[in-house]
Amino acid sequence: DAGVIQSPRHEVTEMGQEVTLRCKPISGHDYLFWYRQTMMRGLELLIYFNNNVPIDDSGMPEDRFSAKMPNASFSTLKIQPSEPRDSAVYFCASRRTGGYRYEQYFGPGTRLTVT
Amino acid sequence: GQNIDQPTEMTATEGAIVQINCTYQTSGFNGLFWYQQHAGEAPTFLSYNVLDGLEEKGRFSSFLSRSKGYSYLLLKELQMKDSASYLCAVTAGGGNKLTFGTGTQLKVEL
Repeated sequence: DAGVIQSPRHEVTEMGQEVTLRCKPISGHDYLFWYRQTMMRGLELLIYFNNNVPIDDSGMPEDRFSAKMPNASFSTLKIQPSEPRDSAVYFCASRRTGGYRYEQYFGPGTRLTVT
Repeated sequence: GQNIDQPTEMTATEGAIVQINCTYQTSGFNGLFWYQQHAGEAPTFLSYNVLDGLEEKGRFSSFLSRSKGYSYLLLKELQMKDSASYLCAVTAGGGNKLTFGTGTQLKVEL
């Protein structure tokens, strides 16, 4: 079975540009999570969806960040405009209701560098 | 809010046993996770404790004391491939919203 798929794996962009990160959750999973990981702050939950509906976006740092999930197999995280402090690894994770012990399956991550 | 503490680094010898501690302070505690993360890779699930006590899963065991706000991950018969970061995470009010500690970098030496 395919795991969580993220694209691109690496993104380098200039400050002020729009960045869109993409995620395809595991088929049949009804929860999708976006995380950000930095050396300073560790792994932080940004937002999560259940059945394509945003449930908790309290971790989204500011209005420059937005996330959508138009269908069960696709989600995007957009940063507009991007800033150097947004440089981090962004992970997408998914799980299914009733899954073993709330286990979340993480994608390989997108390493974002904003210059 | 939530506060999670775990040691930054630990070093152990191949074949030995190591215990990685995690203490937490949170309201509405629901459960505690341990994840393993190799350098440059995604975190992978190791364990989830809701009730007090020890749960064993092969070479890995996880312990939880809800009253003390304390957990540990025990790794037995250490192998070189166990060198990784071990992340403690807690949930409050449900099993979805994870708050992670900064992780313990474990180095296994010969």
